[in-house]
Amino acid sequence: EIVLTQSPGTLSLSPGERATLSCRASQSVSSSYLAWYQQKPGQAPRLLIYGASSRGTGTPDRFSGSGSGTDFTLTISSLEPEDFAVYYCQQYGSSPRTFGQGTKVEVK
Amino acid sequence: EVQLVESGGGLVKPGGSLRLSCAASGFTFSSYTMNWVRQAPGKGLEWVSSVSGGSSYINYADSVKGRFTISRDNAKNSVDLQMNSLRAEDTAVYYCARTGCTSCYADYWGQGTLVTVSS
Repeated sequence: EIVLTQSPGTLSLSPGERATLSCRASQSVSSSYLAWYQQKPGQAPRLLIYGASSRGTGTPDRFSGSGSGTDFTLTISSLEPEDFAVYYCQQYGSSPRTFGQGTKVEVK
Repeated sequence: EVQLVESGGGLVKPGGSLRLSCAASGFTFSSYTMNWVRQAPGKGLEWVSSVSGGSSYINYADSVKGRFTISRDNAKNSVDLQMNSLRAEDTAVYYCARTGCTSCYADYWGQGTLVTVSS
């Protein structure tokens, strides 16, 4: 099973600042099958990024994904008020599909 | 518009059973793999089970294997999760999610249904 470790656990930032979230895998993620999801309180997760760097339908271009192998990054170039949420990475190339434990982006 | 609506959650005693359903609309249901993902209160996401469009591929997390059964009815555009021998650690919000294939990301999620296992 591929274990995904996200860091930091919590990111305290102000609107307009840049957010950099990390996701590290215990072994290489095949074909960059890595996705990022956003989840707000009381809501279902929402797909942001797939294939490590492709934006999902409706994902604003301030969100970008990068990385390969075992190291992946989600960057939010300039935080908007609606971006404060929990973010999860997921690998879907190997079974079982696994998620990271999440990074909470909170208002500083 | 793609819609996934879960139902069937509730309070059940340890050792009991529950059947969750997910009604899908707005897309060609039989062309997609359907999945259940759960989230324990205050915790992260855990993939539970997947069934391919024609039901030829079915997979389970080790934590539920032998206790949970996934099935789908393409005529009714629905996917079910039969949960038996429930444990306290199965308490979670259960989400239905769509993926384009068995090794694909989940592009649409339902709003979830809460299952509470407690005496």
